[in-house]
Amino acid sequence: RKEVEQDPGPFNVPEGATVAFNCTYSNSASQSFFWYRQDCRKEPKLLMSVYSSGNEDGRFTAQLNRASQYISLLIRDSKLSDSATYLCVVIPQGFSFIFGKGTRLLVKP
Amino acid sequence: GAGVSQTPSNKVTEKGKYVELRCDPISGHTALYWYRQSLGQGPEFLIYFQGTGAADDSGLPNDRFFAVRPEGSVSTLKIQRTERGDSAVYLCASSPLGLAGNTGELFFGEGSRLTVL
Repeated sequence: RKEVEQDPGPFNVPEGATVAFNCTYSNSASQSFFWYRQDCRKEPKLLMSVYSSGNEDGRFTAQLNRASQYISLLIRDSKLSDSATYLCVVIPQGFSFIFGKGTRLLVKP
Repeated sequence: GAGVSQTPSNKVTEKGKYVELRCDPISGHTALYWYRQSLGQGPEFLIYFQGTGAADDSGLPNDRFFAVRPEGSVSTLKIQRTERGDSAVYLCASSPLGLAGNTGELFFGEGSRLTVL
């Protein structure tokens, strides 16, 4: 089983839609979780951290479910500029950031 | 420069050759990471340095891959006897994180695209 698993998509949604991605992780001792965004042929950039109590940043909401070992990212009111690949990142131990394969989002007008 | 710098941006080599990829992290960042990314895949962890030492090299695929960071700043990823399967974008990232914890932010360079013919 891979350490971090994501549905690769693509998720095709119209502008204004709400879309959610899930990510599962295998190491129950993992302590830190993040979502990164990667635009085509660009480097990944931090979108947001994921806290145990859940957290929100504008149209983006991240949640953690430790019992089921998954994290989620919800995007409300999708914009064309949200089109990108969203990477789930977990630190299973130490400080080694492990990336999922990414979920591709395409927002259409 | 202000960001992470990687050179070369593109490297084409022949199977069996030796390759070096360089990463110049953000000044003052103690942590440095190497990843490689193939088309349609997420970044695959290779190695992580804290200062001069490799804190975790569990991601290096085999002994053809080696990385150094002799002075705790610039790092070089070395690949011996390259194979076609080594073709990928090699990403370097740095972070100001110390032993006390981390912010979750890795600052990536633009990557070195390696093509092995």
